[in-house]
Amino acid sequence: AQRVTQPEKLLSVFKGAPVELKCNYSYSGSPELFWYVQYSRQRLQLLLRHISRESIKGFTADLNKGETSFHLKKPFAQEEDSAMYYCALRRGQAGTALIFGKGTTLSVSS
Amino acid sequence: DAGVTQSPTHLIKTRGQQVTLRCSPKSGHDTVSWYQQALGQGPQFIFQYYEEEERQRGNFPDRFSGHQFPNYSSELNVNALLLGDSALYLCASSLRRGGRYEQYFGPGTRLTVT
Repeated sequence: AQRVTQPEKLLSVFKGAPVELKCNYSYSGSPELFWYVQYSRQRLQLLLRHISRESIKGFTADLNKGETSFHLKKPFAQEEDSAMYYCALRRGQAGTALIFGKGTTLSVSS
Repeated sequence: DAGVTQSPTHLIKTRGQQVTLRCSPKSGHDTVSWYQQALGQGPQFIFQYYEEEERQRGNFPDRFSGHQFPNYSSELNVNALLLGDSALYLCASSLRRGGRYEQYFGPGTRLTVT
């Protein structure tokens, strides 16, 4: 069965520190992986998708098929990065459902 | 463009009752997906509608049903409500034609079953 695991419920860092939000998945095929973010009182929004291989707001994520991981990284955290982050998987077929992890709350303090 | 809109914002129902939630997709989108998000959990896929038909379904009982209208808006119906149905219900829209499939989420409807 497909599954997304985010092992940390809460990650607290100081401003300027590096951030790594962990995501592991189980899926035997070729998945598409995403990171979604939800800022306080805002709706869920797409942050990154692995096929784009881009950096958004300083965040990057690399798909590691050998380790079945898709960790989200940022070298220097900012207070405005504080939010709930969800890793999600979509099976490699167009239009199929997203499977979400339970999410990690990132708290960045000064 | 207001993006994906959902109504109502909050709803309180009693066990055994029925509820209907509504979703209007982002302008230009033709596909609507519904998710249930229980407290402390990630969103869980309920079903997806395209061309007024249910195209894919998650692991939810038949008490959960839906509909998509010709203008692409959608409804989620839940019958015989249980306490465990209390959750945030999210609607997401996407454009199936063109191959992008990126999902845009609405603000959700908070359902409380007492």
